Amino acid sequence: GQQLNQSPQSMFIQEGEDVSMNCTSSSIFNTWLWYKQEPGEGPVLLIALYKAGELTSNGRLTAQFGITRKDSFLNISASIPSDVGIYFCAGQGSGGGADGLTFGKGTHLIIQP
Amino acid sequence: DADVTQTPRNRITKTGKRIMLECSQTKGHDRMYWYRQDPGLGLRLIYYSFDVKDINKGEISDGYSVSRQAQAKFSLSLESAIPNQTALYFCATSQAGANVLTFGAGSRLTVL
Repeated sequence: GQQLNQSPQSMFIQEGEDVSMNCTSSSIFNTWLWYKQEPGEGPVLLIALYKAGELTSNGRLTAQFGITRKDSFLNISASIPSDVGIYFCAGQGSGGGADGLTFGKGTHLIIQP
Repeated sequence: DADVTQTPRNRITKTGKRIMLECSQTKGHDRMYWYRQDPGLGLRLIYYSFDVKDINKGEISDGYSVSRQAQAKFSLSLESAIPNQTALYFCATSQAGANVLTFGAGSRLTVL
């Protein structure tokens, strides 16, 4: 199956700092999705990317679909306490259904006041 | 009310017991999924269903079974639970042909 590496595994940062995390794939993806999971909740979609080179923002969050189609990154600017959670990337190679999604292992973001 | 509702939210059981986790949705989506989340391993697909009476195995289906009773309901069963099935289980839905998932809040299962 497709391999997807997400890093870093965890981040301990100060409130107000910028955050960057990324995912790389061993094969080409046609879709990259970024989800956030808060404690006691299911993952919620943050940003969806469908085109190589695409750069999309959602408030303080910015994600990009890498030109090689094998990577994606998510940046969070000026972090705040409610940004705490686990961030997952998910990618899909061929096919249109969610059954083809491969998830990263997550980046656990911890913010120290 | 949540779009995707999972019951129970927490369950502790013993080895060998039969367990059913239930999922219902008000999204009107045709496709439903069951995922398992383990610390440091991300989300892994157990089973998925494209429509009523359509069942497909995912990456880690061994030891699990599912039933799609209606478009809005998809249940996951562990016929004889074992400790390494202790995990957080998520139900999710999507529209046909779409890859964006809507997740439930999760069911935490502990098998002693």
